[in-house]
Amino acid sequence: RKEVEQDPGPFNVPEGATVAFNCTYSNSASQSFFWYRQDCRKEPKLLMSVYSSGNEDGRFTAQLNRASQYISLLIRDSKLSDSATYLCAVTFSQAGTALIFGKGTTLSVSS
Amino acid sequence: NAGVTQTPKFRILKIGQSMTLQCTQDMNHNYMYWYRQDPGMGLKLIYYSVGAGITDKGEVPNGYNVSRSTTEDFPLRLELAAPSQTSVYFCASSYRSTGLDTEAFFGQGTRLTVV
Repeated sequence: RKEVEQDPGPFNVPEGATVAFNCTYSNSASQSFFWYRQDCRKEPKLLMSVYSSGNEDGRFTAQLNRASQYISLLIRDSKLSDSATYLCAVTFSQAGTALIFGKGTTLSVSS
Repeated sequence: NAGVTQTPKFRILKIGQSMTLQCTQDMNHNYMYWYRQDPGMGLKLIYYSVGAGITDKGEVPNGYNVSRSTTEDFPLRLELAAPSQTSVYFCASSYRSTGLDTEAFFGQGTRLTVV
């Protein structure tokens, strides 16, 4: 089983839709969780960290479920500018471990 | 505010040639990473470093070497280029890997083609 798995999509939604992405991780010792956004042919950039209690940033909500070992990203009121690939990433609790990414989920928002 | 700088941006190599991808960060980050990204795929970790003088293998280290002689620089070496190494390479850095200040900042990438 791969360490971090995502549904690759693509997710094609109209403007204004609500869309949710899930990401599962295999290592129960995983410590830190993130969602990155990557635009076509660009480098990834941090969208938001995912905290145990869940967190919200405008139209974006991230949730963590440690028992089931998954994180989620909810985008409300989708905009054309949300079209991108969304990558989840995790690190593990041991010091000195690296950031491991999923394959990413592609979102296309259309008018 | 330079952040993470990668050079070159593009390169075409012939099979068997060698090259070094340069990566420099000016944020005094402890952690540095090299990833490769194939079309339609996520980022695969090649090597990473938790500080000067310390490096460790990631998921796909074969065919690559790294060194970390300073905090700022983390070059990636390809000794005998193969077509399977055609990819986009990203360097990244972060202050920590867990807890606070864990955001990873990426360079703009190096698009490498081996023919």
